[in-house]
Amino acid sequence: DAGVIQSPRHEVTEMGQEVTLRCKPISGHDYLFWYRQTMMRGLELLIYFNNNVPIDDSGMPEDRFSAKMPNASFSTLKIQPSEPRDSAVYFCASSLGPGPGYTFGSGTRLTVV
Amino acid sequence: GDSVTQMEGPVTLSEEAFLTINCTYTATGYPSLFWYVQYPGEGLQLLLKATKADDKGSNKGFEATYRKETTSFHLEKGSVQVSDSAVYFCALSPLSGGGADGLTFGKGTHLIIQP
Repeated sequence: DAGVIQSPRHEVTEMGQEVTLRCKPISGHDYLFWYRQTMMRGLELLIYFNNNVPIDDSGMPEDRFSAKMPNASFSTLKIQPSEPRDSAVYFCASSLGPGPGYTFGSGTRLTVV
Repeated sequence: GDSVTQMEGPVTLSEEAFLTINCTYTATGYPSLFWYVQYPGEGLQLLLKATKADDKGSNKGFEATYRKETTSFHLEKGSVQVSDSAVYFCALSPLSGGGADGLTFGKGTHLIIQP
């Protein structure tokens, strides 16, 4: 099993540009989570899906952020327009059922200049 | 709301030293508790878990006991190795079965083991 796959690993973009982060969960997993990690705030849950349906997006910082899961094997997190304060590492995680022990991807390090 | 507090470090120890990383939590009900480890450039990996009071989670020589009376879940290891150098995160899930709804993480403790 290839694990949770995120792309790109690194992204540098200019303020105001649109950024799209991608995630492929482990096959068969029915929960998918997006987290953001910063030095100041640590790890924050942004949104999670169950069977491709968004269940809780209360952690999404503002309307500039949106997430989709068009099918069981793919999810995107989009930021439009991006701002320097969005600079962080964004992690995707998936799990089978609501149980513990999510499998995390290696993350996307986003830098907005 | 739920929260997790852990020592932020960095914690620097010599190889074969005894390790304790403190973690306390605030939550209603009966949460499940976890320790995750993050090696440089990688995502988080589940290290161990406990889903009810007095449970002890253990893995790779690490242990943590769910103490409801002190709302704590301290991570311990009797003899650390250089390969244990990483960032360790304490986390809780609000459901006793370890359900979803996301995990609440502490800010992480950077552990550095010197040879």
